[in-house]
Amino acid sequence: QITLKESGPTLVRPTQTLTLTCTVSGFSLNISGVAVGWIRQPPGKALEWLAFIHWDDDKRYSPSLKSRLTVTKDTSKNQVILIMTNMEPVDTGTYFCAHKGFYYHGMDVWGQGTTVTVSS
Amino acid sequence: SYVLTQPPSVSVAPGQTARISCGEDNIGGKSVHWYQQKPGQAPVLVVYNDNVRPSGIPERFSGSNSGTTATLTISRVEAGDEADYYCQVWNGYTDHVYVFGIGTKVTVL
Repeated sequence: QITLKESGPTLVRPTQTLTLTCTVSGFSLNISGVAVGWIRQPPGKALEWLAFIHWDDDKRYSPSLKSRLTVTKDTSKNQVILIMTNMEPVDTGTYFCAHKGFYYHGMDVWGQGTTVTVSS
Repeated sequence: SYVLTQPPSVSVAPGQTARISCGEDNIGGKSVHWYQQKPGQAPVLVVYNDNVRPSGIPERFSGSNSGTTATLTISRVEAGDEADYYCQVWNGYTDHVYVFGIGTKVTVL
């Protein structure tokens, strides 16, 4: 059974850097075809894709946020890490990680999400 | 930028059929995926690759995609289907980005 769980700070100050961790189980991050992504959702608003990291370390980023995002993985710990720099209040929301379907570009299993508030 | 157009809301009586559209100029040339999200919960994949239901999703959920519109259809709507629904595509031909629609709130009357 594939599961994902996000963790990280609930409160971040403006201009600070956010680091979120997605701990996965039920699959290995270095198996061919595996990918894990990050998606966020401001309160009351739509989902927004942020980044994906693939089994071969190929990384894809949202063009509008690319300059602020870094995604990495630690295969030994079964973790995917998202780093977002220069946080602003508009970055407040719930951050999800999700497993990409093996043969399609949708997300078949999601974590429960973690809420991040950006405020001074 | 890439935009997927969805109606903000759809209302339907129990037992009737709800249809949620997702529009884009050439969406028929892409694979569309649909998610259901209930308040306070993570999204759940209900249809992938236009019309395939993941294991555990009721047959009442179906999808289609042609030309400029993809559609998620919920037949015999139940109270438990009340949720936000999002379409999503992968624009792999240019910049390999994932795009979500703005979401549709389905209200069961």
